[in-house]
Amino acid sequence: DTGVSQDPRHKITKRGQNVTFRCDPISEHNRLYWYRQTLGQGPEFLTYFQNEAQLEKSRLLSDRFSAERPKGSFSTLEIQRTEQGDSAMYLCASSPGQDGYEQYFGPGTRLTVT
Amino acid sequence: AQSVSQHNHHVILSEAASLELGCNYSYGGTVNLFWYVQYPGQHLQLLLKYFSGDPLVKGIKGFEAEFIKSKFSFNLRKPSVQWSDTAEYFCAVKPSGGYQKVTFGIGTKLQVIP
Repeated sequence: DTGVSQDPRHKITKRGQNVTFRCDPISEHNRLYWYRQTLGQGPEFLTYFQNEAQLEKSRLLSDRFSAERPKGSFSTLEIQRTEQGDSAMYLCASSPGQDGYEQYFGPGTRLTVT
Repeated sequence: AQSVSQHNHHVILSEAASLELGCNYSYGGTVNLFWYVQYPGQHLQLLLKYFSGDPLVKGIKGFEAEFIKSKFSFNLRKPSVQWSDTAEYFCAVKPSGGYQKVTFGIGTKLQVIP
């Protein structure tokens, strides 16, 4: 499979619990992005990695959110002490390191916080 | 910071009707522009993109878009829609050159009636 994969596809958790999502980008892509999408909205940028370096974080990303890409391959997004407002679709995308390429999106992880 | 405005949030058309979805962006410099589509139950995929050159770009499935710099617009068109075009369409903008984050519009839900 040559697409972006995300795991899990769905996650239901109780408020206050921690959750972690994984993204595997297309293998030759060194840029990786996380977005959040809620109903009726377009994807909102959360953070960006070039290889293992996290180069930009949105102000949407509170202190409860942390993302890593330890070896410049897969990435994880962790949400600590989840709140109901965290319920959303979390999207991962990747792109090559050169300009002139679009982002390729994964299927997303749908988080429901009860 | 850049922003994107999509004028039509929900469009209903009969098969064979012509489609035009409006997209305007706000940014003072050179941009890259995208239309992404999300079919029901599927992940976001690129429909077409503009990076430079001919402002009329053609994408998959008979879609095209025209970049009008003076109007800051990148409207999506299709002469004759099909039921299979039922989907949500997102316009997106990225300042060109190096890494820059992509900003998405709110999306337009298109429903095509057979």
